[in-house]
Amino acid sequence: GQQLNQSPQSMFIQEGEDVSMNCTSSSIFNTWLWYKQDPGEGPVLLIALYKAGELTSNGRLTAQFGITRKDSFLNISASIPSDVGIYFCAGLITNFGNEKLTFGTGTRLTIIP
Amino acid sequence: DAMVIQNPRYQVTQFGKPVTLSCSQTLNHNVMYWYQQKSSQAPKLLFHYYDKDFNNEADTPDNFQSRRPNTSFCFLDIRSPGLGDAAMYLCATSRDLTGTGSYEQYFGPGTRLTVT
Repeated sequence: GQQLNQSPQSMFIQEGEDVSMNCTSSSIFNTWLWYKQDPGEGPVLLIALYKAGELTSNGRLTAQFGITRKDSFLNISASIPSDVGIYFCAGLITNFGNEKLTFGTGTRLTIIP
Repeated sequence: DAMVIQNPRYQVTQFGKPVTLSCSQTLNHNVMYWYQQKSSQAPKLLFHYYDKDFNNEADTPDNFQSRRPNTSFCFLDIRSPGLGDAAMYLCATSRDLTGTGSYEQYFGPGTRLTVT
């Protein structure tokens, strides 16, 4: 199936650094979701975005819905060890009860001691 | 707390031996999804239920079936597991979007399936 372009594919950072990742699509979406997945667990919803240009925060996390509706960004400030994991973006077009997410390819975040 | 529950968390089955994975939810969401996720890849949608209406993805093998006896429960049946079916299976739920202006999809913790 279709996947979104998510970058970077992986990141190696030191604790305390800020992190940025993004997703781009050739199609427009009217909802963007950001998930974090720990090893052996299911994805956990971090932030949901519903309007073009919307900027939403959840603690140290900030995400933006691109003005073109074809992209979204996630920033993590002052990273801590528990931020390690795989981050997925997901886009959605409303379809009257038949909504399905299109996932990004994931960004693996590693914190270097 | 309202949540999506999957049992078991780990399942081992033999090649060709039918296996059933379970999902339950206390969110009272009317849409339930089953995904397959292989190592370091994004989840891949197998099918979903909108209430009792079953929606199969075009590329989901016939080997995979699903049942939803009521709002709270959904099952994934793999009729004849092959080695290639070893994966994490994720259940997810969402509310009907129509008229709400918002959409969120919540995942369970997953069942790791091993095929020997």
